[in-house]
Amino acid sequence: SAVISQKPSRDICQRGTSLTIQCQVDSQVTMMFWYRQQPGQSLTLIATANQGSEATYESGFVIDKFPISRPNLTFSTLTVSNLSPEDSSIYLCSAYRGSGNTEAFFGQGTRLTVV
Amino acid sequence: GENVEQHPSTLSVQEGDSAVIKCTYSDSASNYFPWYKQELGKRPQLIIDIRSNVGEKKDQRIAVTLNKTAKHFSLHITETQPEDSAVYFCAANDYNQGGKLIFGQGTELSVKP
Repeated sequence: SAVISQKPSRDICQRGTSLTIQCQVDSQVTMMFWYRQQPGQSLTLIATANQGSEATYESGFVIDKFPISRPNLTFSTLTVSNLSPEDSSIYLCSAYRGSGNTEAFFGQGTRLTVV
Repeated sequence: GENVEQHPSTLSVQEGDSAVIKCTYSDSASNYFPWYKQELGKRPQLIIDIRSNVGEKKDQRIAVTLNKTAKHFSLHITETQPEDSAVYFCAANDYNQGGKLIFGQGTELSVKP
């Protein structure tokens, strides 16, 4: 199994600022993803973090708002930019080793509150 | 793209009873179907998964069935215990297309002692 460390675990941010979330995996993984989970809701895929190239965003999510980096096979960051109260949510990173028919692991999540 | 529908949204059972959660998916190319359990304030944890070449899979008190023709799959928990209380999510992906998981809406299971 892979261990995913995500930080910060929580933060309170002022509107208009940005928050960068880091995700570190303990071993090389093929795929990394970022999800948003609003209170009491399901996980919504934001984007696939591609190693060495631009992330692939899902409908409704754009690079200007959610820039993502993945400089190597074990690390990725998600920035939530120009924060508004509607961005208050839990953000989770996820990773696979091998192909996508094996277990996807999740970080512990970052609880973001925008005030 | 893929769309996953999950029912019911809440489920309450007595300890020892069985619980069944159902999901349907839209993309016939999807070939991997995991189930995750998420306890309050915790990360999702995989409890069982099934691939499209299999119709049923069991792991102790948990089983998953898959009907590819109808594009639906179900989670069955037998002899439920209070510690089974959590939110359960189904998901689907086409692992030949990058393996991104699309989740159902979740089912909040409550097991009453």
